[in-house]
Amino acid sequence: GENVEQHPSTLSVQEGDSAVIKCTYSDSASNYFPWYKQELGKRPQLIIDIRSNVGEKKDQRIAVTLNKTAKHFSLHITETQPEDSAVYFCAASIGGSQGNLIFGKGTKLSVKP
Amino acid sequence: GAVVSQHPSRVICKSGTSVKIECRSLDFQATTMFWYRQFPKQSLMLMATSNEGSKATYEQGVEKDKFLINHASLTLSTLTVTSAHPEDSSFYICSARKDRVTREQYFGPGTRLTVT
Repeated sequence: GENVEQHPSTLSVQEGDSAVIKCTYSDSASNYFPWYKQELGKRPQLIIDIRSNVGEKKDQRIAVTLNKTAKHFSLHITETQPEDSAVYFCAASIGGSQGNLIFGKGTKLSVKP
Repeated sequence: GAVVSQHPSRVICKSGTSVKIECRSLDFQATTMFWYRQFPKQSLMLMATSNEGSKATYEQGVEKDKFLINHASLTLSTLTVTSAHPEDSSFYICSARKDRVTREQYFGPGTRLTVT
């Protein structure tokens, strides 16, 4: 079945720096890759996603890149702010009609002022 | 928008009792709803997938007789934890998907279950 690996598990950056979180997946049939942000005790919020027919997508300070050949995708946050501090989860849809999401283990991002 | 509500947000129950958690999509019809369990500082573990009007599909290792899922309408799914035990204490989160093509999932706020 699908396996999603996420690195690093924790990431600490200085305010204004960039943060990069990387994920790899195993199922070559996966075609949808969302990223979620979860603050402590709250629901995961979809922040950006990418589909397999696109290599890169950007939304203001966040961007996601996808390399289908290597089966990895990354989240890039530029000009980080303290409010970016949270746990970020990547996910990949499994192949087939159900398309359930398999989540990575999460990255705890801390942005220091 | 795509708003998903979940009720209750917190529940404390005694060991051996059953607890029902509701998940509602408020402004869209959800073809599929998902139930996840999340332990502290850990990822989301998919428990089951439910499609409206059909039986839920459980992930390996999840007891279907213990975690009863009902998806009675396109806007409501319920999870009942039967004969709860302290080890069932966890954060349960549902999500709803509009359609299989877009595959976007929107999460409810979660339910913190504590079994004493």
